Amino acid sequence: QLQLQESGPGLVEPSETLSLICNVSGGSISSSSYYWGWIRQPPGKGLEWIGNIYYSGSTYYNPSLETRVTISIDTSKNQFSLKLSSVTAADTAVYHCARLNSLGYYFDYWGQGTLVTVSS
Amino acid sequence: IRMTQSPSSFSASTGNRVTITCRASQGISSYLAWYQQKPGKAPKLLIYAVSTLQSGVPSRFSGSGSGTDFTLTISCLQSEDFATYYCQQYYNYPYTFGQGTKLEIK
Repeated sequence: QLQLQESGPGLVEPSETLSLICNVSGGSISSSSYYWGWIRQPPGKGLEWIGNIYYSGSTYYNPSLETRVTISIDTSKNQFSLKLSSVTAADTAVYHCARLNSLGYYFDYWGQGTLVTVSS
Repeated sequence: IRMTQSPSSFSASTGNRVTITCRASQGISSYLAWYQQKPGKAPKLLIYAVSTLQSGVPSRFSGSGSGTDFTLTISCLQSEDFATYYCQQYYNYPYTFGQGTKLEIK
């Protein structure tokens, strides 16, 4: 059974860089059948897509975040990561990693999510 | 592409048939998915390609629609169905979600 698990600091100071890792188990991140993505959800609010990455390293970002986001992949460790720079309180959210089925690019497996709070 | 769900919230009783609507600001063909989210949990994929049930999802869930107007129907509400539901378009980037529909027990 595929499992995704996010990890990283739960508190980040304003103007700093948020860094998270998604560890994938029960399946290979190098499969050509899937993309891997990040989605966030501010407390009490809806879902916002951040970006996707393919095993080859090709990335696609939400234009609203594109200047601040970097998603990378490490196939040797079966994990991918998110970096979001110059964070503000508006970036406080639960961050989920997920798998996208390349047949349709919907999110078929999700990590449980990790809350990141931006505060000094 | 803006995705608008209606209603934003409503109450229903177990055994009821309920329908949630999702409207896209432009045509998205059949590139629509539905997710269920319970408090403190990750969203769970219910339906993709408008009407295809994800493996393991009960048959009381169904989806329909095309172009810009879509619906999620739960034919006979069970206690475990009280949750928030989101639609999502994957027709083009950036992928976007509806604002959510919270289904509460009456």
